[in-house]
Amino acid sequence: EAQLVESGGALVQPGGSLRLSCVVSGFTFKSYWMTWVRQAPGKGLEWVAHIDRDGGRQTYVGSVKGRFTISRDNAKNSLYLQMNGLTVDDAGIYFCARVGNGTYWGIDHWGRGTPVSVSS
Amino acid sequence: DVQMTQSPSSLSASVGDRVTVTCRASQSVYNYLHWYQQKPGEAPKLLIYAASNLQSGVPSRFSGSASGTTFTLTIAGLQPEDGGLYHCQQTLHFPHSFGQGTKVEI
Repeated sequence: EAQLVESGGALVQPGGSLRLSCVVSGFTFKSYWMTWVRQAPGKGLEWVAHIDRDGGRQTYVGSVKGRFTISRDNAKNSLYLQMNGLTVDDAGIYFCARVGNGTYWGIDHWGRGTPVSVSS
Repeated sequence: DVQMTQSPSSLSASVGDRVTVTCRASQSVYNYLHWYQQKPGEAPKLLIYAASNLQSGVPSRFSGSASGTTFTLTIAGLQPEDGGLYHCQQTLHFPHSFGQGTKVEI
């Protein structure tokens, strides 16, 4: 069974940085595109970024472009999200997730999320 | 960006009811539309992908349909465990935007 476990969430001051990690197991990591999705408190889901199978292609939502970087290490079965210049609008739960093969880019497995708080 | 508008924002229904949730896209997304269920404190779960395909392991009371840029999630025979937040997502255009969510109370 696919498992995704995020870590790295914390309380950070505005303008600060965080690096989120996600370790996966139960599937062949290098065979899947991966994505980060976030959810502000009491709000809906927001797609943040995704990355292709070998890490060569990344796409971001406009609000994080130039500040966030998605990356992966297939040898370590790990996905990362480097977040710089954090603002209060970046606060929420960050989910690591797998883009399904054959699901028209639907997300078929999710981690439980890691919380990010941004406050002075 | 493609705007996804869900309705209603919330609903209350009884066990056994037929429930429909609608998602409208601001432009064509063809069938690149997916539905997720999220229970409090949990990660979302894929229910329907590509508008009408039931994800493996999901009960057959869940179904999805499409008409142009309007998509519908139907729960036929609501069960107590179906309460939660339901989200739609389009994945044809970047960013892969979600609707604002529909809360279903039993």
